Amino acid sequence: AQSVTQPDIHITVSEGASLELRCNYSYGATPYLFWYVQSPGQGLQLLLKYFSGDTLVQGIKGFEAEFKRSQSSFNLRKPSVHWSDAAEYFCAVGESVSVGNKLVFGAGTILRVKS
Amino acid sequence: GAGVSQSPSNKVTEKGKDVELRCDPISGHTALYWYRQSLGQGLEFLIYFQGNSAPDKSGLPSDRFSAERTGGSVSTLTIQRTQQEDSAVYLCASSRNYEQYFGPGTRLTVT
Repeated sequence: AQSVTQPDIHITVSEGASLELRCNYSYGATPYLFWYVQSPGQGLQLLLKYFSGDTLVQGIKGFEAEFKRSQSSFNLRKPSVHWSDAAEYFCAVGESVSVGNKLVFGAGTILRVKS
Repeated sequence: GAGVSQSPSNKVTEKGKDVELRCDPISGHTALYWYRQSLGQGLEFLIYFQGNSAPDKSGLPSDRFSAERTGGSVSTLTIQRTQQEDSAVYLCASSRNYEQYFGPGTRLTVT
């Protein structure tokens, strides 16, 4: 069965500092990986996804993530965090890229940004 | 354009009562998903509809939970005889390809 681990429940960074949120997955085949962000009281918004090809993927809001098969990881990064990035971030793995892609989510990482 | 909408946004109910949660997907999206977000369990898949195919109910936690999708559009998630452990945020998502668009959720509180 698929699973996703986000080891950090909370992370606090200073505004302008760099950010890395960790994600490890367990899946037997080629994983389809996603990062979502959830602001308080809001639904989930897709930041970026990895299906195949280039292992460094770019997303919205200046985020990027790198797929490392050898480490079963898909860490999310941002070079300079803005106060508006404070939210909860979820890593997810899906079975396929087609419609019918039910997602398995990690527990989430709450990002706090201090000024 | 309009996103996924869910109603009600908040629902408080007494233990043992039945509740219905509604989801209006984005027009033209053929797939619709229900997830549950709770403190103890995180985000869990519940059920998935795709066109006229039989739904994938593999995530429903008990037979008290059911869902239907009428006319390939609006979906209703029904929880019968609610229990306190059903308290959670219920999220609906729709898609026409890999990207799922999520609604704001319905926060259900069972007292």
